[in-house]
Amino acid sequence: DAKTTQPTSMDCAEGRAANLPCNHSTISGNEYVYWYRQIHSQGPQYIIHGLKNNETNEMASLIITEDRKSSTLILPHATLRDTAVYYCIVSYNFNKFYFGSGTKLNVKP
Amino acid sequence: AAGVIQSPRHLIKEKRETATLKCYPIPRHDTVYWYQQGPGQDPQFLISFYEKMQSDKGSIPDRFSAQQFSDYHSELNMSSLELGDSALYFCASSLGLLGVGKLFFGSGTQLSVL
Repeated sequence: DAKTTQPTSMDCAEGRAANLPCNHSTISGNEYVYWYRQIHSQGPQYIIHGLKNNETNEMASLIITEDRKSSTLILPHATLRDTAVYYCIVSYNFNKFYFGSGTKLNVKP
Repeated sequence: AAGVIQSPRHLIKEKRETATLKCYPIPRHDTVYWYQQGPGQDPQFLISFYEKMQSDKGSIPDRFSAQQFSDYHSELNMSSLELGDSALYFCASSLGLLGVGKLFFGSGTQLSVL
């Protein structure tokens, strides 16, 4: 079962940073934090993942708190094409990869 | 780069018919997962295979079965279709089961049961 809590929806102005929070207070020591997004019924798309340290790639940055009970996905310069449902998933094993309700991010011009 | 390939993209069936969905994982990936996403719902895990053996089972109805073949492709067989089976079916693949890597998803098969 999903072990994360995310806001149902968020708005962001185009060109601004989008900060999407996720609560995972029951995370275990060997569980990774994954972020995926789903754009209008397409297959979920991998964004980023991390264990303890903050991570950055060409798409986004992932900030994980020191106690690992929450994290924030940062899209530095949101575009209209970033409008999607964003899922935060915690898992050590892909067999336990459960999608919660996600955050619907609306990027507005 | 090669991605996860699913076929067909769209499938229309009548109630009580059968359907077969196919999934071709990324080359060298040995693990395949099936998810079902109903209208307005989040993806729900159905079943997974690692090295051609079933590795986990989620909320998959008894009317559904699946297998992974020697070339690692997988097929989801659905019998006695019901209206409620209308959904997007996603396949995903990974190299191994552990979460140190990534899970890659296909574009899905849209199944409509009339």
